[in-house]
Amino acid sequence: DAGVIQSPRHEVTEMGQEVTLRCKPISGHNSLFWYRQTMMRGLELLIYFNNNVPIDDSGMPEDRFSAKMPNASFSTLKIQPSEPRDSAVYFCASSLKDYTEAFFGQGTRLTVV
Amino acid sequence: GENVEQHPSTLSVQEGDSAVIKCTYSDSASNYFPWYKQELGKRPQLIIDIRSNVGEKKDQRIAVTLNKTAKHFSLHITETQPEDSAVYFCAAKTGANNLFFGTGTRLTVIP
Repeated sequence: DAGVIQSPRHEVTEMGQEVTLRCKPISGHNSLFWYRQTMMRGLELLIYFNNNVPIDDSGMPEDRFSAKMPNASFSTLKIQPSEPRDSAVYFCASSLKDYTEAFFGQGTRLTVV
Repeated sequence: GENVEQHPSTLSVQEGDSAVIKCTYSDSASNYFPWYKQELGKRPQLIIDIRSNVGEKKDQRIAVTLNKTAKHFSLHITETQPEDSAVYFCAAKTGANNLFFGTGTRLTVIP
């Protein structure tokens, strides 16, 4: 398995534009996490899916953020409209449900200008 | 949700000395506590983990201890080397399977 795959690796966009980040979890994993990493706030949990169902989205900062998992092999995180304060590295991670290691993708570095 | 606090935020040690990073958590139902290492520009990667039915676990120069009563756990690195320099994150996995991270410790090992 190639591990957790995220795309794009880098994204530069103008304020107000829609941004879509993509994640392919490890095959067979049934938990998927989206995190945002900044120097100030570290690794913030945005949303957690189990078996494609959003279980906890309390970390999603506001209505501009939305996430979907239409099937076990794909998830998206969308920001619309984007703002400069959304600039960060966004990580996707997947794991098996019961108390096992979460594997991270390589991250998407988002810059909103 | 779970609240994981991590200290210190930065730590500098001389090569060969030990480093200790401490974390506390709030949800008594949390039962899995991994530690991740993140090198500059790379993804976090697991270095060691401990489950709530174990008090201590060791893997070569790395050890983790867990005190469920006090709700805290610690990472110990002995005989530190320059390649140990990185950001270390503790995490706690709740009964609902959420994985919450501490704010990270930037460890610098001075040759």
